[in-house]
Amino acid sequence: NAGVTQTPKFQVLKTGQSMTLQCAQDMNHNSMYWYRQDPGMGLRLIYYSASEGTTDKGEVPNGYNVSRLNKREFSLRLESAAPSQTSVYFCASSEVDEQYFGPGTRLTVT
Amino acid sequence: RKEVEQDPGPFNVPEGATVAFNCTYSNSASQSFFWYRQDCRKEPKLLMSVYSSGNEDGRFTAQLNRASQYISLLIRDSKLSDSATYLCAVNIGNTPLVFGKGTRLSVIA
Repeated sequence: NAGVTQTPKFQVLKTGQSMTLQCAQDMNHNSMYWYRQDPGMGLRLIYYSASEGTTDKGEVPNGYNVSRLNKREFSLRLESAAPSQTSVYFCASSEVDEQYFGPGTRLTVT
Repeated sequence: RKEVEQDPGPFNVPEGATVAFNCTYSNSASQSFFWYRQDCRKEPKLLMSVYSSGNEDGRFTAQLNRASQYISLLIRDSKLSDSATYLCAVNIGNTPLVFGKGTRLSVIA
């Protein structure tokens, strides 16, 4: 099992560009999550999907959109990237409570 | 008061030492508790769940104190490889886990 996979691993964007971060899990988990992690700020929840077909806002949803494409895949889209979105983005999945994380995407917006 | 709080550290301890971290939570309805380990520039990885009766896994022991609303992680016989940031996570009902900002541990030779 690969667990949770994320693509790309690294990305550099210019302000105003758009991109989609991809996440997939092969553990047949119902719930999936997107976090960002910044120095001194800890993990902050952007959006989550408790089950296929549902999505909910987390703590910091502004500037992001998500799509739960199917049970395996949950994507995060930045429509117009801003320097404040420079961060490390983690996707996670869970069946009950404990979450399992992907390796992360390091995004820099210049 | 923040939902989940941890001392950021760093805790600098010699090899072989015993070290303990606490994590306080504000919501008395919290139901599930976890410790994660995060290495530099890596993803958080589940270290252990924390049960009401406590949980032990080798050199690691986790405890829950509901009366004082905190969980603890004890590491015995610290190894250099234990150097990492330790995150606690707390769940309330059907909402996603809330993570602390982490405690940094550095084990020194």
